[in-house]
Amino acid sequence: DAKTTQPTSMDCAEGRAANLPCNHSTISGNEYVYWYRQIHSQGPQYIIHGLKNNETNEMASLIITEDRKSSTLILPHATLRDTAVYYCIVRVAMDNAGNMLTFGGGTRLMVKP
Amino acid sequence: DTGVSQNPRHKITKRGQNVTFRCDPISEHNRLYWYRQTLGQGPEFLTYFQNEAQLEKSRLLSDRFSAERPKGSFSTLEIQRTEQGDSAMYLCAIWGQALGTEAFFGQGTRLTVV
Repeated sequence: DAKTTQPTSMDCAEGRAANLPCNHSTISGNEYVYWYRQIHSQGPQYIIHGLKNNETNEMASLIITEDRKSSTLILPHATLRDTAVYYCIVRVAMDNAGNMLTFGGGTRLMVKP
Repeated sequence: DTGVSQNPRHKITKRGQNVTFRCDPISEHNRLYWYRQTLGQGPEFLTYFQNEAQLEKSRLLSDRFSAERPKGSFSTLEIQRTEQGDSAMYLCAIWGQALGTEAFFGQGTRLTVV
């Protein structure tokens, strides 16, 4: 799986959009970009994933650059409960046997009042 | 509720003792993974089951660790002769075609070896 690079930490004001970047310059054509987050003392929680088109769900939006070498996770209106570590992972689709998620260090997002 | 129940949530044990953790998916899913997470680090893969067959093991999984998944439903992870370095959060994750293309994690078992 391709490696990812994320900032170690970021701050965001409550109510503002949180934009979390991720670089994945060695991503392959069949690899997806996945985002998970982990709130303190809980298991990782799936947020969103995409291949090349931008994606949006009830939690977040995922913007993938045209060359697919980087992406941005957007939390449109961050709340204090969004304070967590956010992991960007690139890998082939989950329904391929034997492929597991490989977590890096993630970005620690602190949402401040 | 992620559909994955892990017990116990916390475990404190003395060095040298054996411990066993359990992962119960709410419904049957063909793939089940165990991860370990130490403080300040992302989760690290330990082992993977396809139904009841253990198909892959990380080099992190020393011979003191053993995992089982009888009948392809719940899974157990046992650590024998625990060491202080085993202190970590142990996470279970499941997915299968019925879940789509994402994994669901349990809340984990936090092990402290004293």
